[in-house]
Amino acid sequence: EVQLVQSGGGLVKPGGSLRLSCAGSEFTFSSYTMNWVRQAPGKGLQWVSSITHTSAYIYYADSVKGRFTISRDNAKNSLFLQMDSLRAEDTAVYYCTGGDTAMALSVFDIWGQGTMVTVSS
Amino acid sequence: QSVLTQPPSASGTPGQGVTISCSGSSSNIGINTVNWYQQLSGTAPKLLIYSTSQRPSGVPDRFSGSKSGTSASLAISGLQSDDEAHYYCAVWDDTQNGVVFGGGTKLTVL
Repeated sequence: EVQLVQSGGGLVKPGGSLRLSCAGSEFTFSSYTMNWVRQAPGKGLQWVSSITHTSAYIYYADSVKGRFTISRDNAKNSLFLQMDSLRAEDTAVYYCTGGDTAMALSVFDIWGQGTMVTVSS
Repeated sequence: QSVLTQPPSASGTPGQGVTISCSGSSSNIGINTVNWYQQLSGTAPKLLIYSTSQRPSGVPDRFSGSKSGTSASLAISGLQSDDEAHYYCAVWDDTQNGVVFGGGTKLTVL
């Protein structure tokens, strides 16, 4: 079964750091653009960051630029999101998503189960 | 405030059809293809329509997408209770150099 399994997340104080991980299986991970999308409690979806299949291109939402770092390890079929200088407004469920590299960057056809990040003192 | 504008809610009765709109601009919908996602309560979103009008394998042909100018639409025919969900449009924005989502539309099947 094609899947993305996420780990990491939890409760962190404002200004703290957290690292999210996402492991892909049963699909050619190295052929997929990978992304992070978040959803604050009771709110809509917000795109966070994307990394193309060879890591040649990386994009960030303005709200996280300079604080979050996306990376991938194709040998381990893994995606990461290093989140630093966390703020209360970063509180959300974070989804790992993938899109075939042949598709537009906004196509997310595989989704992880989501992991909650809570930033609170 | 979302870059893409969707109505917050829509409704219909079983068997009816409903259309959800997504209004954007010349830097997103006007020049790029649109995708639609369905999010059932408590679950991760699911790709419903990609490249404006294409359905992934397994998505019923009751769901269709279209675009005109800087607006896109998702049409659902023959409404079923299982269609009750939030629907989001998404597209690449050339000005923001990133993906933008609509605010989402909650569809209620009465």
